[in-house]
Amino acid sequence: AQSVSQHNHHVILSEAASLELGCNYSYGGTVNLFWYVQYPGQHLQLLLKYFSGDPLVKGIKGFEAEFIKSKFSFNLRKPSVQWSDTAEYFCAVNAKSSASKIIFGSGTRLSIRP
Amino acid sequence: GAVVSQHPSRVICKSGTSVKIECRSLDFQATTMFWYRQFPKQSLMLMATSNEGSKATYEQGVEKDKFLINHASLTLSTLTVTSAHPEDSSFYICSAFPRGLNTEAFFGQGTRLTVV
Repeated sequence: AQSVSQHNHHVILSEAASLELGCNYSYGGTVNLFWYVQYPGQHLQLLLKYFSGDPLVKGIKGFEAEFIKSKFSFNLRKPSVQWSDTAEYFCAVNAKSSASKIIFGSGTRLSIRP
Repeated sequence: GAVVSQHPSRVICKSGTSVKIECRSLDFQATTMFWYRQFPKQSLMLMATSNEGSKATYEQGVEKDKFLINHASLTLSTLTVTSAHPEDSSFYICSAFPRGLNTEAFFGQGTRLTVV
């Protein structure tokens, strides 16, 4: 069975600080990987995804993530955060086949001090 | 991008009544849709996989008689919360994959259910 671990439950940073949120997954086969963001009171938005190819994936709003297969990791990064990045971030995975269910990590709450 | 629409976005119902939530893929066909539940400040927990033309597949611990799922067409899945209780109050989210493609899932905007 698939599982996703996000070890940082709540991260507090000042504006302009660099961000890295950890994500590890467990699954016996090949996977697709995702990062979603949920701003307060809003629905999920896709930040970025990895299906194949270059393991360094660039997403929206200056975010990027690196897939390290040997570590089963897909950490999210941003060089300089803004106050508007305050949100909940979810790492997710599904098996690489048509329409397989997406399993979410527990989420990381990011708070940015202005 | 593809659009998934949920209706209603908010619903308040009395304890003991049933509530139906609709999930529609507006510009693509979806053989498979998924229903999630999100409690405040928690992650999305997969409840069930909705399969067009066949029975839904429920995750462990989810009561299939309480959460009735129907996927009557390639663009519509419904979740009915039967005999709702206050503990069923939650945010329910559906997602859908375009048929036959290994691509990202598209999520609905969610339905906030409050049972009073």
